[in-house]
Amino acid sequence: GAVVSQHPSRVICKSGTSVKIECRSLDFQATTMFWYRQFPKQSLMLMATSNEGSKATYEQGVEKDKFLINHASLTLSTLTVTSAHPEDSSFYICSARVFGSQETQYFGPGTRLLVL
Amino acid sequence: EDQVTQSPEALRLQEGESSSLNCSYTVSGLRGLFWYRQDPGKGPEFLFTLYSAGEEKEKERLKATLTKKESFLHITAPKPEDSATYLCAVQAGGNQFYFGTGTSLTVIP
Repeated sequence: GAVVSQHPSRVICKSGTSVKIECRSLDFQATTMFWYRQFPKQSLMLMATSNEGSKATYEQGVEKDKFLINHASLTLSTLTVTSAHPEDSSFYICSARVFGSQETQYFGPGTRLLVL
Repeated sequence: EDQVTQSPEALRLQEGESSSLNCSYTVSGLRGLFWYRQDPGKGPEFLFTLYSAGEEKEKERLKATLTKKESFLHITAPKPEDSATYLCAVQAGGNQFYFGTGTSLTVIP
């Protein structure tokens, strides 16, 4: 199956700093990538949909100035959490939709963010 | 309102005890229903996609079925390594994906 990687897998930062998370599709091209966050024992919450070469589409309630998304190529999307605060601590997961296929999303392994 | 509901929330099985997980949905214009497995601290791992009522797919001890209102994930003779959270997601006609809250499966040796 298609492989999606995320980096870093785990990050701890101080309040007020910015953190960048990378999401790469390793063996396929992804015109669309998705960013989710997941709280303990809860389901995935879609934050934004990222299309290569265009601006991301954010879900209602997600601050686009706080969660900056860049989808610079068909294999890379980045999520930058700006001026992170403790309430931003969460598990962030990206997924990629295989180019030209039906709608299956393949997920990355996730990034655990802890803001102190 | 588009919605996905999974049941039960948690399930404990003895090794070898077969069972089924349920995913009920109400969406406008189903485009696909997806099953994923998620281990603690990891991203969801894709299992199956189902597109139309009556469709079935199998992989090892897992079999997914789809009707017009729900999907079942049947687990035959489960092993401890099948312990995980199983997520169901539905893609609606408007391209939106809706995730259920998952079923946490524990298989006891």
